[in-house]
Amino acid sequence: NAGVTQTPKFRILKIGQSMTLQCTQDMNHNYMYWYRQDPGMGLKLIYYSVGAGITDKGEVPNGYNVSRSTTEDFPLRLELAAPSQTSVYFCASSSHISYTGELFFGEGSRLTVL
Amino acid sequence: QKEVEQNSGPLSVPEGAIASLNCTYSDRGSQSFFWYRQYSGKSPELIMFIYSNGDKEDGRFTAQLNKASQYVSLLIRDSQPSDSATYLCAVMDSSYKLIFGSGTRLLVRP
Repeated sequence: NAGVTQTPKFRILKIGQSMTLQCTQDMNHNYMYWYRQDPGMGLKLIYYSVGAGITDKGEVPNGYNVSRSTTEDFPLRLELAAPSQTSVYFCASSSHISYTGELFFGEGSRLTVL
Repeated sequence: QKEVEQNSGPLSVPEGAIASLNCTYSDRGSQSFFWYRQYSGKSPELIMFIYSNGDKEDGRFTAQLNKASQYVSLLIRDSQPSDSATYLCAVMDSSYKLIFGSGTRLLVRP
């Protein structure tokens, strides 16, 4: 039972490089989210999606892009990496967000930009 | 900007005591409130949700909501060392987005 799978788990980028964080869920959830968590801080919403083909900005979308071509996949793209994007990134999904608020999180992707 | 505020802690309590964690929110239209627990280096997990004013109990955990004061709290009775973690308060907005606070770190001393 995989749940939400994120890859890679760790990555070091140089300033200006680009990369994609992959997120896949096998629970047939409509809602998917990307959060970032800086050390000692809470989660900040980057982008979210309520279904395939639909995405919207969260609290901190600048420097990121997303797509949702299928129900299962929700990749996060960093175009020009900056040191301020050093963080732990969590992908999450939910089927009943409006009822229980329960998000199922991936294990996180730790990104360092040098 | 919708905000969720928590004291960062650490809150240190002895084993067996009651731990009280507090959270305030700015969006008066918020309807749903959640407590997530996050162990160090792990992803968050939902432990409680509450919609109505008053108390909601689940085992050793009690969530309390006061919408007039825009205040949510979590009580942990008979605290155990395994409860040592960061507790994140989250509030759902009208677009079904969860807005998280910065979390309170709880330390339960054996």
